[in-house]
Amino acid sequence: AQSVTQLDSQVPVFEEAPVELRCNYSSSVSVYLFWYVQYPNQGLQLLLKYLSGSTLVKGINGFEAEFNKSQTSFHLRKPSVHISDTAEYFCAVTPNRDDKIIFGKGTRLHILP
Amino acid sequence: DVKVTQSSRYLVKRTGEKVFLECVQDMDHENMFWYRQDPGLGLRLIYFSYDVKMKEKGDIPEGYSVSREKKERFSLILESASTNQTSMYLCASSPGSNYGYTFGSGTRLTVV
Repeated sequence: AQSVTQLDSQVPVFEEAPVELRCNYSSSVSVYLFWYVQYPNQGLQLLLKYLSGSTLVKGINGFEAEFNKSQTSFHLRKPSVHISDTAEYFCAVTPNRDDKIIFGKGTRLHILP
Repeated sequence: DVKVTQSSRYLVKRTGEKVFLECVQDMDHENMFWYRQDPGLGLRLIYFSYDVKMKEKGDIPEGYSVSREKKERFSLILESASTNQTSMYLCASSPGSNYGYTFGSGTRLTVV
């Protein structure tokens, strides 16, 4: 069975500083990987996804993530955060032929002025 | 722009009431999902559907049922609402696993 672990429940970071949100997954089969963002009182929005090919994936709002198969990780990064990036971020995985996506428990990103 | 619309943003119901949460998508997606979201627990799958009149139990189906009479509409039903069903409910749809999901804005349900 697949599972997703987001290693930090909360991450505080100063505005304009870089940030990395960590995500590890476990699976015995090939997977698709996703990062979603949830702004306060809203639904989830797709940030980026990895299906195959290049291991560095670029998404919206300046975020990127790197797929590392040997470490089964899919960490999310942004070189310089803005106050508008305050949100909860969810890592997610699905086996290639399964339409159910399994979500991590989320990481709250707090931007400090 | 593609859309998943949940009929209510906020809902307050009394214990024992029958509650209907409606979700409509305009993207002709085959797959639809209902999740509940609680602090510290993340998203938990309640029910999902891969086709009209088809439904499958997710991880926490107890106390819930669903209906999918038309492709675009997926309804979540709380047969007899209880206070432990107070939560944020999120509907999502997808044409296939490699596309990810499109989510609605959520319904925050309070049962008193």
